[in-house]
Parts: sequence; C-alpha cells; structure tokens
Amino acid sequence: QLQLQESGPGLVKPSETLSLTCTVSGGSISSSSYYWGWIRQPPGKGLEWIGNIYFSGSTYYNPSLKSRVTISIDTSKNQFSLKVSSVTAADTAVYYCAVTMVTALSYWGQGTLVTVSS
Amino acid sequence: QTVVTQEPSLTVSPGGTVTLTCASSTGAVTSGYYPNWFQQKPGQPPRALIYSTTNKHSWTPARFSGSLLGGKAALTLSGVQPEDEADYYCLLYYGGAWVFGGGTKLTVL
Repeated sequence: QLQLQESGPGLVKPSETLSLTCTVSGGSISSSSYYWGWIRQPPGKGLEWIGNIYFSGSTYYNPSLKSRVTISIDTSKNQFSLKVSSVTAADTAVYYCAVTMVTALSYWGQGTLVTVSS
Repeated sequence: QTVVTQEPSLTVSPGGTVTLTCASSTGAVTSGYYPNWFQQKPGQPPRALIYSTTNKHSWTPARFSGSLLGGKAALTLSGVQPEDEADYYCLLYYGGAWVFGGGTKLTVL
C-alpha cells in the first residue's frame, strides 16, 4: 500500500516561498498509473486542490493558484515537491500530498501545517 | 471560476438513510466528471470513499454508495452509524483540473 509523508518548514514569512516535499513509500513514483498531487485546507475551512504532476513531469494546476505554484518530481528519490511563491496569510493551511490512480484520489499523507507569519 | 456545491449541513438519525449531493456550476454532473467522495473527521486527513461515481475502495464500508441523481453526484449512507458523523467532500474532474465541493457536515443525532 502506498504511503505518503509531507515534510518542510512549518513557518514561512510573508512574501517568501513555501516549499514542501512528499516522500512516497510502498510503490514507485514512476508508475504510469499515478498522478501525484497537493491539496490544502485552511484552518476550519474546506479542501482546495492545488495541482498534480505525472511521472513524466506533466503538470496540472488550479487556475486560481497557477501563477504562484510549481510542482516538481524527483524520480531518483521517489519524491515530489510543491513551491508556492509570494505567500500571504491566506496561504496558511494544512498541506496534504496525495496520489490519484487514474480517476481515484486514493491515498493521502497525514498533512503538515504551514503558517505564514512574520 | 468553476464552483462545486454541496449541502453545508445535514442531520440524520442512527440507522437512518441520508443522501449528500454535489452540483457543478457548469451544468449537470455526468460520469465524465469522475466524482470522488471523501470523509474527514476532526484532526485527521480525508479518507477516500468513492471514485468514478459508484466505485468503492477496498476499505469503504458497504453502507456507503455513490450515484448520479438529478444532474448531481450523490453519496448515500444507509443504516447510518454514530461513527459516520464527519465532514464529507466531493471532488469533480474538469479536463486536467479537479475541484472540491465546499463540504457537508453530517451530524448523527
């Protein structure tokens, strides 16, 4: 069974870049059946899909975040990453990494809280 | 901007049946939107329940079922248990991008 684990700083200053990594175990990130993605949830609010990446490097982003978001993949480390630039307090959220198997968003990481504050 | 709408809250009695729905601002939801459903309890990550409208994951209890109903995706819980009290989210596919619904808070009372 696939397992995902997020890692990265829990505190980021306004206007800086948020960077998170998701480490995948129990399977290969190079599988042709999987899309690797990020989802966030502000405290007390709903879920927001951020974007996906395929093992080939093809990416799909939420149009409302596209100008500030980059998702990348490192097949040698079985990891994928998220960068969100020019963050504000509105980017404070629990960030989840997850895997979509064709049309099924199946497995989630435990999530990591990122707070944007000076 | 595409909006996916769910009932903000619903209440059901233990042992009862309840249906949650998921509507798209673009029109009727079809199987091509590959509706997914998730359950989230406080302090936990979401757990996948249903994918591609009707398909259950290996861990999904039998009392959960997915369907299309009146132009919307639907999640039906039959024989509701107290542990089903949670937030439920739908997720729809829009040609490469996915959009979550705002979530339904289900109370079992």
